[in-house]
Amino acid sequence: DAGVTQSPTHLIKTRGQHVTLRCSPISGHKSVSWYQQVLGQGPQFIFQYYEKEERGRGNFPDRFSARQFPNYSSELNVNALLLGDSALYLCASSFSHSGTGELFFGEGSRLTVL
Amino acid sequence: AQTVTQSQPEMSVQEAETVTLSCTYDTSENNYYLFWYKQPPSRQMILVIRQEAYKQQNATENRFSVNFQKAAKSFSLKISDSQLGDTAMYFCAFIGNAGGTSYGKLTFGQGTILTVHP
Repeated sequence: DAGVTQSPTHLIKTRGQHVTLRCSPISGHKSVSWYQQVLGQGPQFIFQYYEKEERGRGNFPDRFSARQFPNYSSELNVNALLLGDSALYLCASSFSHSGTGELFFGEGSRLTVL
Repeated sequence: AQTVTQSQPEMSVQEAETVTLSCTYDTSENNYYLFWYKQPPSRQMILVIRQEAYKQQNATENRFSVNFQKAAKSFSLKISDSQLGDTAMYFCAFIGNAGGTSYGKLTFGQGTILTVHP
């Protein structure tokens, strides 16, 4: 079975641009979470979606938004990119939304903002 | 707010030996879950072991075991018979379960880079 897949794997943007990152969860998983991992630090929670509804939001500005589609895949959008948005963006899926079970992570999308 | 602290930025161990990674956390919740995740270089993060706070027995998964001290808010990971494939960044993580509304919000520590030497 395919694991969590993310695209693109690497991308370079300039300040002020917009980026869209995509995630396909494991088949049967209805929950998708997004995390930002700055180099050398632990992941920081951005969003969680379950059954196409936002169920949790971390301490990130409104430039960050996300959505989940009927097939449970998800997009993370970041507007007006700043240098500080350079990071590895991780998507994780799970069967339930409570987060007390195992999260399955993708390999991430590495964003560089110049 | 919950915090997770890993005070060891880097650790190293010889193959076949035992190593312990430290983690402390702070929370006012009584029911929560603790995790250790492993992130190998350029590969995805995977779950190593999980502990439910209301269970007094320490979790064990093959060569991996935890020492969970609830009163001290400490959650260390012991790796026995270390293997070269254990080389990775290890993250301690916490999730509360206040009425089941934690919604997948894991709080991670800063990570510990573990290197296993042959």
